[in-house]
Formats: sequence, structure tokens, C-alpha cells
Amino acid sequence: EPEVTQTPSHQVTQMGQEVILRCVPISNHLYFYWYRQILGQKVEFLVSFYNNEISEKSEIFDDQFSVERPDGSNFTLKIRSTKLEDSAMYFCASSLQGADNEQFFGPGTRLTVL
Amino acid sequence: GESVGLHLPTLSVQEGDNSIINCAYSNSASDYFIWYKQESGKGPQFIIDIRSNMDKRQGQRVTVLLNKTVKHLSLQIAATQPGDSAVYFCAEDANAGGTSYGKLTFGQGTILTVHP
Repeated sequence: EPEVTQTPSHQVTQMGQEVILRCVPISNHLYFYWYRQILGQKVEFLVSFYNNEISEKSEIFDDQFSVERPDGSNFTLKIRSTKLEDSAMYFCASSLQGADNEQFFGPGTRLTVL
Repeated sequence: GESVGLHLPTLSVQEGDNSIINCAYSNSASDYFIWYKQESGKGPQFIIDIRSNMDKRQGQRVTVLLNKTVKHLSLQIAATQPGDSAVYFCAEDANAGGTSYGKLTFGQGTILTVHP
């Protein structure tokens, strides 16, 4: 069964450093998403991406965040200068269509900012 | 505004019992709802979905009920098993006039514990 994969599973970084979280969505999916989940809290939407551009983003997704689909398979989330409050689980998801369509989630990357 | 919340943060049941997990939503424009299961250390796993033109949908051992009048969603799990122990989230997609590209708003989550 196809699945979304994410690397690394755990990333530890120093405050102020740049991190890149990587995702490989399901191959025939067209819509891609990043969500985050701070420990013990609900899953929060960050950004959606379609046709090589951001289609929607939340207020969390400020200028420190960027997304990219550098090739036909990878989808990345970059945090330019990490802050302590960026520590969270980051989930990538993909769907065949956009709205009103099942989103398949990856296992997540745990980001720890020291 | 948009918000999705849960009535019960924890639910403890015996194996074989039926479980009911509830969710309230406030955005009347929401037209698509999903239940996700999240096990410790894993990403959300799709359980079942329902569109706003339906009030009930059944899957294998699970049923989702949607009451648009009171903006309430519930997940029923029949014959609950220890493997069902997880956090359950409801999520909504407010595709109002086609302005959503799949942004899901998640509820707070309910911890389901099934005792053997």
C-alpha cells in the first residue's frame, strides 16, 4: 500500500539554525500539506501546496517558513531560523484532490530546538 | 470563527463494548469531516469520512454520524478492541465556495483506552 514517508524521524537543532524537513508524498497525489503538532496539543495546519505553489497557509506559516517541491518526488519544509517554540512533530500529508478529499499522513518528524 | 472541539477528552471502555466519541464544530460552512486515529509516535491515520449531504456513514466496525442542526459529529466503534486504544481526532474542511484547498481544522482529541 502506498504511503507518505518523512525524513528524518527526529531532528535536533540549535536555536537560530536552519532545518529542512523532507517528505515523499504518495506518487500520484497532487496536493501536499504540512501540519505540526506541539506535544499534547492538536494537529495544526501550516500550508497547502498545489501546482508548484502555495495555495493556502496559516498564520503560523510566517516568513521563517518555506516549502519547495525540488523534484518530482520530494516535498520539503524549511525553517530558516528556528526558535524554541518551533519544537513539535511535523507531519506531511498528501491527497489526490484538494478540498473534501482524504489526506494521507506521514509518520512525522520530531523537531527539537535547543 | 473556525473551531472544532471535543466533549470528552478521555474515554475508558472494556474490550467488546461499543465506544462513542463526540465532536462539536462551529463552522457552519464546513462540508467535509474526517475522523483520524493517532497511535503514540505515529501520524494520523484515516478512519472514516462524511460529507455534509449525508448524516450517517458506516465502515468496518465504525460509524460516523453528522448532525448539522446542532453541528455535532460522532464516531461509534463497535466491539472495541485493545488495538483501538489511541487518540481520536475529528477534523473539518470548510470548502466554502471552493476557497479551501484541503486545509483541515483538527479538534483537540479524545484519548480512548480499551481494557482487556
